[in-house]
Amino acid sequence: DAGVTQSPTHLIKTRGQQVTLRCSPKSGHDTVSWYQQALGQGPQFIFQYYEEEERQRGNFPDRFSGHQFPNYSSELNVNALLLGDSALYLCASSTPFESTDTQYFGPGTRLTVL
Amino acid sequence: AQKVTQAQTEISVVEKEDVTLDCVYETRDTTYYLFWYKQPPSGELVFLIRRNSFDEQNEISGRYSWNFQKSTSSFNFTITASQVVDSAVYFCALSEPAYNTDKLIFGTGTRLQVFP
Repeated sequence: DAGVTQSPTHLIKTRGQQVTLRCSPKSGHDTVSWYQQALGQGPQFIFQYYEEEERQRGNFPDRFSGHQFPNYSSELNVNALLLGDSALYLCASSTPFESTDTQYFGPGTRLTVL
Repeated sequence: AQKVTQAQTEISVVEKEDVTLDCVYETRDTTYYLFWYKQPPSGELVFLIRRNSFDEQNEISGRYSWNFQKSTSSFNFTITASQVVDSAVYFCALSEPAYNTDKLIFGTGTRLQVFP
């Protein structure tokens, strides 16, 4: 049973550039959530996708956008990168049809903005 | 306001000691869920437990146990006979399903170091 996968593992960008991160959910899951984890902090909710639509959004600017594909995989796009966007980006998958509705996380993508 | 507080930033113990990680939460709902996740150095968050607000029974799973007390809004995690492999950052989290989302609100984490 494949777990949540994310790519790439690491990424280095410069200020002003744009980046796309990818996530494939756990088998049987249809909901994808994205979190940003700055160094030494807990993960912060960015947004959640279900049925190819953004279901809820956290306190992140419009530079952060996403997409969910028919196969439930998802992308996170960040435009006009700032130094403060350097963080570990975590993807989590879940499904409302499981009694526990628990989120399972991928290994993350570590983004460094120079 | 929704909030999770993990007051212990870092705890160091020697192998075989018992250790308790504290978690205090604030929520505006009567229905909510509490979680603990483990984050080893590799970075992936590993799910440990989920508890709903209507079930205050304590739970034990091997060396792990959880104490949920609504009266004090706490959901503490105890590791019995700690091992070096328990070294990680542990996060407590809260979700409120009434708002049609299972968005997780995390605490700042407690780094546990277990020395041989």
